[in-house]
Amino acid sequence: AQKITQTQPGMFVQEKEAVTLDCTYDTSDPSYGLFWYKQPSSGEMIFLIYQGSYDQQNATEGRYSLNFQKARKSANLVISASQLGDSAMYFCAMGSLQGGSEKLVFGKGMKLTVNP
Amino acid sequence: DGGITQSPKYLFRKEGQNVTLSCEQNLNHDAMYWYRQDPGQGLRLIYYSQIVNDFQKGDIAEGYSVSREKKESFPLTVTSAQKNPTAFYLCASKKTTGSGNTIYFGEGSWLTVV
Repeated sequence: AQKITQTQPGMFVQEKEAVTLDCTYDTSDPSYGLFWYKQPSSGEMIFLIYQGSYDQQNATEGRYSLNFQKARKSANLVISASQLGDSAMYFCAMGSLQGGSEKLVFGKGMKLTVNP
Repeated sequence: DGGITQSPKYLFRKEGQNVTLSCEQNLNHDAMYWYRQDPGQGLRLIYYSQIVNDFQKGDIAEGYSVSREKKESFPLTVTSAQKNPTAFYLCASKKTTGSGNTIYFGEGSWLTVV
């Protein structure tokens, strides 16, 4: 079974500073993908970044980067130069191929607050 | 614009009633998903469908039903058998061919039992 663990219930960061959001995972599948989503108070889930298990380089998307450490089974999200609009819930998720299908398993999320 | 549309945004249901949440996508995606989110929690998979006329149970399928008669549509029915249906429901879709590895979500539907 797949499992995503996000142990930080909440974090505070000053505007323009960098912040790292932790995510560890557990799976027996050899091929999987790791995702980060942002959920503002409006409720929509906004895709941020994706990392494939066989990707040699860490994924980057603008101010977002994923610190992928396969041996440690961690996929931490790094947000550089935090902005007030980054305040939201953040979810780590993992997708595995099971018998030809694909499901996405989510962590419980963590709340990021960016202070001016 | 392409995207996923969920309706209604807010829905109130009396106990014992069935309600159906709509999910439509014009992204030409093959796979569609329904997730449930409870306050302060992550998302839990209810049902998913990879192709038309086919769907599989997720982790919490009891009390829910779905259909996939068209590629664009994946409605979710919350039946009276679902004991605690008050939650936020999110529909998602994914392209399973080519290089697509991203699941996109609709804006969600809030269901409250009164």
